[in-house]
Amino acid sequence: NAGVTQTPKFQVLKTGQSMTLQCAQDMNHNSMYWYRQDPGMGLRLIYYSASEGTTDKGEVPNGYNVSRLNKREFSLRLESAAPSQTSVYFCASSAGGRTDTQYFGPGTRLTVL
Amino acid sequence: AQSVTQPDIHITVSEGASLELRCNYSYGATPYLFWYVQSPGQGLQLLLKYFSGDTLVQGIKGFEAEFKRSQSSFNLRKPSVHWSDAAEYFCAARGGYQKVTFGTGTKLQVIP
Repeated sequence: NAGVTQTPKFQVLKTGQSMTLQCAQDMNHNSMYWYRQDPGMGLRLIYYSASEGTTDKGEVPNGYNVSRLNKREFSLRLESAAPSQTSVYFCASSAGGRTDTQYFGPGTRLTVL
Repeated sequence: AQSVTQPDIHITVSEGASLELRCNYSYGATPYLFWYVQSPGQGLQLLLKYFSGDTLVQGIKGFEAEFKRSQSSFNLRKPSVHWSDAAEYFCAARGGYQKVTFGTGTKLQVIP
């Protein structure tokens, strides 16, 4: 039982390049989330998917797109990377419901030059 | 607006000393409350959570937290800190079926 996995662990991009961050969970969770973590700012929600087939914007969605490929997988795409998107990205999942608790992946450290 | 505040950005304690990390929340009603720990280069690991009932919650790694409604607080405590507890700690809250709000984190340094 791997929990939440993310690939890649590290990535360096040049401004304007595109890439997709992958996330998968094996806990049969309904909901999945993408956060970014920047120093002194805690975690900020980029996008989330409450259930398979739905996605919604979070606090900082500009410059990102997401795809809920199936119940297990939720990807985050940067179409044209910018230096402001240099950050650590975390994927999380949760079962949903009243006592919902999020479980996190190990993160992807992205640098945009 | 809903918010979670961790007033201490950085705390240093000696190994073996007790620890208390502060967390205050601002919500219309009592939210669900969480503490996570993040070791360097790692993801966030859930330490404990409070939904209702007993206001003293036990978690993993010897941590506990106390919910105080009158103070809108959910402080994390450990009686005796180990060097391996050095990490960043995040308090988080969720109101009903709403999204989770995270505090900005407290970095814990443990000195021998």
